Amino acid sequence: AQSVTQPDIHITVSEGASLELRCNYSYGATPYLFWYVQSPGQGLQLLLKYFSGDTLVQGIKGFEAEFKRSQSSFNLRKPSVHWSDAAEYFCAVGPPWNTDKLIFGTGTRLQVFP
Amino acid sequence: GAVVSQHPSWVICKSGTSVKIECRSLDFQATTMFWYRQFPKQSLMLMATSNEGSKATYEQGVEKDKFLINHASLTLSTLTVTSAHPEDSSFYICSARYPGGPNEQFFGPGTRLTVL
Repeated sequence: AQSVTQPDIHITVSEGASLELRCNYSYGATPYLFWYVQSPGQGLQLLLKYFSGDTLVQGIKGFEAEFKRSQSSFNLRKPSVHWSDAAEYFCAVGPPWNTDKLIFGTGTRLQVFP
Repeated sequence: GAVVSQHPSWVICKSGTSVKIECRSLDFQATTMFWYRQFPKQSLMLMATSNEGSKATYEQGVEKDKFLINHASLTLSTLTVTSAHPEDSSFYICSARYPGGPNEQFFGPGTRLTVL
């Protein structure tokens, strides 16, 4: 079945530590790929997106993600986490046959300790 | 960046009443808007796709008579929860399709609906 998976429900890191959030997709063709962050009381904010080209994508707030076709993955990374990064992170895919829809993963809740 | 607003941000209503939620794209025109539902600690589930000037397209399992969607202009879509019941209590999020690229959506802050 076609899907997007975020294996980690909850991750806890110390402030200043590096971060990697995992996302895997299962589609016949490479979909468009997105990472969103959801903070309490705020709407989902787009961190970055991948359509084609360079597989390492830079986003806002110091985040980056790398598309690996062989692993069907689009993992989100940040070299040094700040306390304000604590939030819910969603990976989303845009099916190649439907450029309107987004299908979301189950989300990863990031907790940051001082 | 593109901004999408939702109103109200939260609403409490009695069982059996109807509630309308507005979604507006403030600085761009959106021919397509989306309505999602999010349960606590869960992901967003697409309920329906709203197209300006035409009928909404509902996802499987979503009652179109329960969740009425109107997309009357290029900047406004409304979701009306009719005859609301406690099981309709949820967080409703809208988004607007941004014309800049495929699948790109900007999201509203959400509306918390509580049905007593």
